[in-house]
Amino acid sequence: DAGITQSPRHKVTETGTPVTLRCHQTENHRYMYWYRQDPGHGLRLIHYSYGVKDTDKGEVSDGYSVSRSKTEDFLLTLESATSSQTSVYFCAISESKVGMNTEAFFGQGTRLTVV
Amino acid sequence: KQEVTQIPAALSVPEGENLVLNCSFTDSAIYNLQWFRQDPGKGLTSLLLIQSSQREQTSGRLNASLDKSSGRSTLYIAASQPGDSATYLCAVTHNNAGNMLTFGGGTRLMVKP
Repeated sequence: DAGITQSPRHKVTETGTPVTLRCHQTENHRYMYWYRQDPGHGLRLIHYSYGVKDTDKGEVSDGYSVSRSKTEDFLLTLESATSSQTSVYFCAISESKVGMNTEAFFGQGTRLTVV
Repeated sequence: KQEVTQIPAALSVPEGENLVLNCSFTDSAIYNLQWFRQDPGKGLTSLLLIQSSQREQTSGRLNASLDKSSGRSTLYIAASQPGDSATYLCAVTHNNAGNMLTFGGGTRLMVKP
């Protein structure tokens, strides 16, 4: 299994509080991603990173920010949590080589409940 | 905008049957297509990766095909087993700098003993 660790695995937080989720990889892959998974919407990209300090927005980035200060760590911050951000959050990693993209690997997920 | 559709959304079969899961995508400018398995409450496990230049990939009882020009992929599962019960997701990687995946909604498979 690819070395991806998400923390925490479960979290309950109150509306309006900031929350940070962490993704740690041991594969030295260039790309890292945050997705959320919701019933009826499937998996949607929040933000991604293509290198240290290089990040960009995905499909559902409003209310979220990210940071990547080291290759191995990608942080997702909910600046002021809302009930609509209750979801399961997945981190993923991938690499690219000349002429092809490699497999994406996913972490085990973080279940976040905003009350 | 790329859209990925999986049909059927749910499927129930008796053990031992061969089955086909379908995935279609609207934009053929993809780098690759990946099939994943997801068990309830768990993360995604990569099953097969097909590069855009390839037509199929095989792993054990699984065979995935890709027809990029028609925007279709199929996942064939031979001799299904109850342990195959899970949700199967396909995802395409775009021809852009971010290696981003766009997912289908998944097919929830139940294999009955």
